Formats: sequence, structure tokens, C-alpha cells
Amino acid sequence: AQSVTQLGSHVSVSEGALVLLRCNYSSSVPPYLFWYVQYPNQGLQLLLKYTSAATLVKGINGFEAEFKKSETSFHLTKPSAHMSDAAEYFCAVAPGAGSYQLTFGKGTKLSVIP
Amino acid sequence: GAVVSQHPSRVICKSGTSVKIECRSLDFQATTMFWYRQFPKQSLMLMATSNEGSKATYEQGVEKDKFLINHASLTLSTLTVTSAHPEDSSFYICSARSGANVLTFGAGSRLTVL
Repeated sequence: AQSVTQLGSHVSVSEGALVLLRCNYSSSVPPYLFWYVQYPNQGLQLLLKYTSAATLVKGINGFEAEFKKSETSFHLTKPSAHMSDAAEYFCAVAPGAGSYQLTFGKGTKLSVIP
Repeated sequence: GAVVSQHPSRVICKSGTSVKIECRSLDFQATTMFWYRQFPKQSLMLMATSNEGSKATYEQGVEKDKFLINHASLTLSTLTVTSAHPEDSSFYICSARSGANVLTFGAGSRLTVL
């Protein structure tokens, strides 16, 4: 069984400030972890994924995430927020290689204040 | 990159009618597609896994007779909501396997049942 907990349903940051979106996972097998972004009335776009290689994963749009097994975390960060980063962000877990059945967190809405 | 197209993006129908939503992989073949349902301000819930040429696999609690899935070709899966009722109103999203541990999502279809 697997689950994802995203701390904070809504995060607000000032433009140019650090973005930190938290994700903790639970998995009975070594997990594959993903971050997706969703803009209003659109589908999901993959930001980055962890598939048991490097623990620090770099994605698109300047985002990165670090897999910390000891903390069962996969937090998403970006050094400097941009207005275009305002969106809903979902963390997801899959039970390892070959599985495409993702379990999603409830999402975190990121607002960027000018 | 891989593109998944969903149609229609919005549909309004009367209670008791059936609605078909299409999910197409435009530039790749998808033997497996997934259908999700997303309630307002909530996460995506996997409804079913659609396999080309065979019956879909439904998640627990999803009525297979209410949500008919057909995956007749390597580029098309359809979701038909039969005898729709207001409680079926939701945002429906499909995804397709587009690479190793990669899912490409459609833009979603918003169904409103009056």
C-alpha cells in the first residue's frame, strides 16, 4: 500500500522568494516519486520524477526535489518564485519500476504575490 | 514530446443521458491508458486502467456499468458516462504511458449534468 501526504493545501510566496512544497510518502516497496503541476482547467504536466537514481532530481521550470528515505520525504523547491508558477502542485507515488498506477496527494495550491 | 488529447473539454448534459469522452495519444501508441476523476479542490482518483484490446480494470468502488471504457485502438480510449446524474458532474482526466515511468496527461474534460 502507498500513500502521499502534502502538507499545506495552500502556500503563498512573494515573487522572487523561495518555493517549498512539502510531500511525505508511505510505501511498502521502494517508491518512484513524481511532482506534477496543474494549471486551471488543464491536465497535469510532469515537473520531475525520482526513479531510484540520483536523490536530487532537477525538473523543468527551475524546480528540483530531493528524495530523503530517512524522512520519507520528497519536497519540491525552487529558489526564486515567478508569477507563472502559480498553480496546483501534486505529489504522486508509484510502487516502483513498471507501475503506472499513481497515488496522488491532495495537492498544494501555490499563489505568488507580486 | 508526447501529446494526449481529450475531447470534449467541456460538456453539459441533461440528467439521464449518456456522454462519451475521448482520449487520444497523438504521436505515440498507448497500449495502456488511465482514467481519473477529480472533484473540486481535491486530488485525482484513479477510476480504471484501460488496456487496448481487452477489458478495462476498474478500481474498487467504481461502477463499471456506469463508466464504460473502450480501448479499441492503440491511440484511442473512450469513457462513456451512462445515464448521467448530477453527482457524476466532475473533471475527468485521462493519461497514457508515453515512456519509461512516464505518463502524459490529457487536458481534462469537465462534465456538468443538469
